[in-house]
Amino acid sequence: EAGVTQFPSHSVIEKGQTVTLRCDPISGHDNLYWYRRVMGKEIKFLLHFVKESKQDESGMPNNRFLAERTGGTYSTLKVQPAELEDSGVYFCASSQQTRNTEAFFGQGTRLTVV
Amino acid sequence: QQQVKQSPQSLIVQKGGIPIINCAYENTAFDYFPWYQQFPGKGPALLIAIRPDVSEKKEGRFTISFNKSAKQFSLHIMDSQPGDSATYFCAASRTDNYGQNFVFGPGTRLSVLP
Repeated sequence: EAGVTQFPSHSVIEKGQTVTLRCDPISGHDNLYWYRRVMGKEIKFLLHFVKESKQDESGMPNNRFLAERTGGTYSTLKVQPAELEDSGVYFCASSQQTRNTEAFFGQGTRLTVV
Repeated sequence: QQQVKQSPQSLIVQKGGIPIINCAYENTAFDYFPWYQQFPGKGPALLIAIRPDVSEKKEGRFTISFNKSAKQFSLHIMDSQPGDSATYFCAASRTDNYGQNFVFGPGTRLSVLP
């Protein structure tokens, strides 16, 4: 069974440009999460989808970040326009919608804004 | 109240040693405490997890000790091996009907010397 996959693995963009990150969760997982780790600090929660609905987006830094999950399958996270402080590793995770369930993480997308 | 503190930041032990990583939390509503292991270029992977109704959980060489009154928990790695060299994150979450949004510690980089 395929795990959580993220594209691209690395992205280097200039300040002011737009970048879109993609996450394909494990098939059948209704929960999808986005997290970010900046400069060796803690991994911080960004938002949580249940199927196609945003359950919690309290961690989104500002309105330059837009997440979507069309049809409750894959998800995209768009940063527009990108700023230097957006650099970091963006992780996606998915889990089944049951109690005591494990969240599986993708390998992450390393975003560098120059 | 959402913060999870983790120490030490880095740890070096000899093969066969017992590294111990400590975490502390504030939010008493947290009811799930996982430890994630991350190798370079990979996403975090669940290592072991505990709920506050038990004080200790052991899986293979990995043990979580949990102190509910002190709001602390720790990871012990018995007979550590060079292959255990990785970054370890503790986390906490409050399980609801939809899923688990984790609050992570900043991570501990463990090096096990041969």
